Amino acid sequence: AQSVTQPDIHITVSEGASLELRCNYSYGATPYLFWYVQSPGQGLQLLLKYFSGDTLVQGIKGFEAEFKRSQSSFNLRKPSVHWSDAAEYFCAVVVMKTSYDKVIFGPGTSLSVIP
Amino acid sequence: DTGVSQDPRHKITKRGQNVTFRCDPISEHNRLYWYRQTLGQGPEFLTYFQNEAQLEKSRLLSDRFSAERPKGSFSTLEIQRTEQGDSAMYLCASSSWGGGENEQYFGPGTRLTVT
Repeated sequence: AQSVTQPDIHITVSEGASLELRCNYSYGATPYLFWYVQSPGQGLQLLLKYFSGDTLVQGIKGFEAEFKRSQSSFNLRKPSVHWSDAAEYFCAVVVMKTSYDKVIFGPGTSLSVIP
Repeated sequence: DTGVSQDPRHKITKRGQNVTFRCDPISEHNRLYWYRQTLGQGPEFLTYFQNEAQLEKSRLLSDRFSAERPKGSFSTLEIQRTEQGDSAMYLCASSSWGGGENEQYFGPGTRLTVT
């Protein structure tokens, strides 16, 4: 069955430090992968997506992610974290059904940023 | 267009009451999705509409839940005889077409609390 795991429930980093959020997926075919961010009281905002081509994907707000097929991973990175990056981060895989695209989300990683 | 909107943003109800939520998708989007998100979890798929047709329903959608999308524009999600286990954030998303890599745009959600 298709699934997404995010091993880290909560991460705390200092402002200016680098960040890596881990994501592993289980999917038999070539995956479409997303990272979303959710701030308190807000909907989910797409940070970046991978569906083919270059395995290093650039996104908004200075985020990037690397797709590694051999490790079934799609880790999110940022070289220097800002206080405004504190939020919940969700990795997701898209399962293409006959009539629609089913998005399966991981459980999320909560990021806290220390000033 | 200002994105996907949902109303109300918060709803507190007593167990056994009926509630109805509304979602207004991005105007040119013909695909609409409902998700449920409980605390500490990622969103879980509930149901999908293409235009006015409800094409997919999750097993999470018990017979107390019903969703409609008349005229293929806004959608409503109704929960009858609410239970405390229904307490969650209900998210709506829309997209213009499928293909796996197409982004779903999310609304801010309706937080339901059943007392």
